Amino acid sequence: RKEVEQDPGPFNVPEGATVAFNCTYSNSASQSFFWYRQDCRKEPKLLMSVYSSGNEDGRFTAQLNRASQYISLLIRDSKLSDSATYLCVVNRFNKFYFGSGTKLNVKP
Amino acid sequence: DAGVIQSPRHEVTEMGQEVTLRCKPISGHDYLFWYRQTMMRGLELLIYFNNNVPIDDSGMPEDRFSAKMPNASFSTLKIQPSEPRDSAVYFCASSPGQGREKLFFGSGTQLSVL
Repeated sequence: RKEVEQDPGPFNVPEGATVAFNCTYSNSASQSFFWYRQDCRKEPKLLMSVYSSGNEDGRFTAQLNRASQYISLLIRDSKLSDSATYLCVVNRFNKFYFGSGTKLNVKP
Repeated sequence: DAGVIQSPRHEVTEMGQEVTLRCKPISGHDYLFWYRQTMMRGLELLIYFNNNVPIDDSGMPEDRFSAKMPNASFSTLKIQPSEPRDSAVYFCASSPGQGREKLFFGSGTQLSVL
C-alpha cells in the first residue's frame, strides 16, 4: 500500500470556483503534514504546513484528520495562477513521503 | 540564501556512460535527500543523509546508483553504467531537521539516457 494516496485529477474549474483536494496516508505514526505545489517542469515548493487544528493562508485552507488519516486542501476564489499539481506530503522520523499529486487546471 | 543548488540542469548521455549529479544544500541544513521523478512513478526517495551520514538508501534502485556526501555543503549522485530507464528528473532537497522539517528543493537535473 502506498504511503500517501491522492486523486490524480485533473480538476478542471473556472476562475473564481472553490475546489477541494483530499489525500490519505497509511501510517498512523506520521508526524507532520504538508501541501506542496509543483508547476510544470519545476521543483516542488512548499505551499503550507497542515496542523490538526486546521490552518488558513489567504485563499488556502488545510485540514488534518488524524483519526481518519486524511488531509485536505481547499482553494477559494481560484485564480488562473493556481493551475499546478498539488502534492500531499507526510513526514515520519525526518523522512518525507509524497503523494503522486493532483493536477488543477483553472480556466478563464 | 541561494537555496539548494543542483548541477547540471540538463544531462544527455549515452547508455553505458557514467553520470554524476551534484548538489549543494542550504547552509545549516542537517538533512539532504535525493529524489527521482517520472510520470509513471511520481517522486521517489532514493537516499537521504543526516549530518553527511547516509541514513536510508532503500530507495536506490540497484548497485548502479551510488551517493556520497563528503561534507556538509556537497553531495553527489552517481549512476554507472547509465541505462535509458534512468531517464528522469533528479531532485536534491534539504531540510533543517531538529523539529523544523520543511523540505526545500533544488531546480532538478533533467537526465536523458539515449
